Order: sequence, then C-alpha cells, then structure tokens
Amino acid sequence: EDKVVQSPLSLVVHEGDTVTLNCSYEVTNFRSLLWYKQEKKAPTFLFMLTSSGIEKKSGRLSSILDKKELFSILNITATQTGDSAVYLCAVELQGAQKLVFGQGTRLTINP
Amino acid sequence: GAVVSQHPSRVICKSGTSVKIECRSLDFQATTMFWYRQFPKQSLMLMATSNEGSKATYEQGVEKDKFLINHASLTLSTLTVTSAHPEDSSFYICSAGYNEQFFGPGTRLTVL
Repeated sequence: EDKVVQSPLSLVVHEGDTVTLNCSYEVTNFRSLLWYKQEKKAPTFLFMLTSSGIEKKSGRLSSILDKKELFSILNITATQTGDSAVYLCAVELQGAQKLVFGQGTRLTINP
Repeated sequence: GAVVSQHPSRVICKSGTSVKIECRSLDFQATTMFWYRQFPKQSLMLMATSNEGSKATYEQGVEKDKFLINHASLTLSTLTVTSAHPEDSSFYICSAGYNEQFFGPGTRLTVL
C-alpha cells in the first residue's frame, strides 16, 4: 500500500524561529513529491521535487528530496505568524497522476 | 497557474437528500480530475479519479453508488452525494492539471 508519513503532526514555535518539517514515503511508482500549504480552504502549491539533492527555494521556504532514503524536508526560516497553516506533503504516482497525501503538519507560529 | 473552480462553496442539506458539487477547469481542458474528501483535522483522501467520457475510477472503500461522478466535458466534473447522511459531512475538494495539480477552493458539505 502506498504510504506518505509526515512528522511532526503538530508544531508550535515562536515568530523568528526556524522549522523543519519531515516527509517520508513508501510508494510503488514514484513520480514526484509535492508540498502544499493549507490554511482555511484548499491547499496551495509550494514545491514540486523530482530529483534528489536539488534544493528548491522560495523566499524563506526551501525543500529538498532524498530519493535514496525516500525522504523530503521543508524548511521555513525566520517564521512569521502568517506561516501558521497545515503543511501537506504528497507523492504523485507515475502514470496515474493521482496524489497520495500525508497526514499533514499543523504549524502554529506564536508572536 | 491554472484555475479550478468549485460550486457551491458551502451546502447544508437534510439527511436523505442528494447534493451535486461541480468542479470546473476555467482556463484549460482536463481529461482527468480528482475528487478528495477531507474530514476535520485530517489530510486529503483521494476518493476517485474522474475520466472524461468514461467511468470514474474509485479508490478502495469508496462506494460508487453513493458518490456518483460524471465527467461529461473537458472542463466539468460533477460529484453527486446520493442520499446524504450526517457522516458524509466533510470538505470535498477537486483537482485538475497536467504536470501540476491545481486544487479547487473546496465545498463544505453539512448534512443535518
């Protein structure tokens, strides 16, 4: 069974801290790994990773994939209260186009 | 990026009624769309893959007679929750795209 596991499930930090969110996966036919941010409604896209070792960066957010260890991390530096959200990791399966989601990490940034 | 819309954004209905949710790709054609369900404080669970012009593919444990999917055109897929019950109350989200999946804004269904 295809599986995506995120940790921690919940994280509370102070504004300005740096956080690292983890995502591990076991799937039959990996195509890509995606990170999404979900606030009150539908998820918004952050990153798509297909190759190992290549860091993707967008402002204070960055992400990297390790296809040997079947693992990805999402880093957020200098966190702000607006970063509070649920961060979802999903793996896209080859051929099927469908996404298998992890449970999500609920991140709370306190002022 | 591409835009996916959903309608309605929120619906409240009585137990036993049927509810139809629409998912539209606004600026691109989508031969495949996906329907997800999300319970409070849980992640997205794929319910089914909607295929234009053919039958939907349902995930294990999802009743196809309960959740009817129709993908009659390249820009529209509909999900009908038939004979809805309170346990069907959830957030339903569709997605579509090519290399990247774009999500609709979701539909919150409350069954009384």
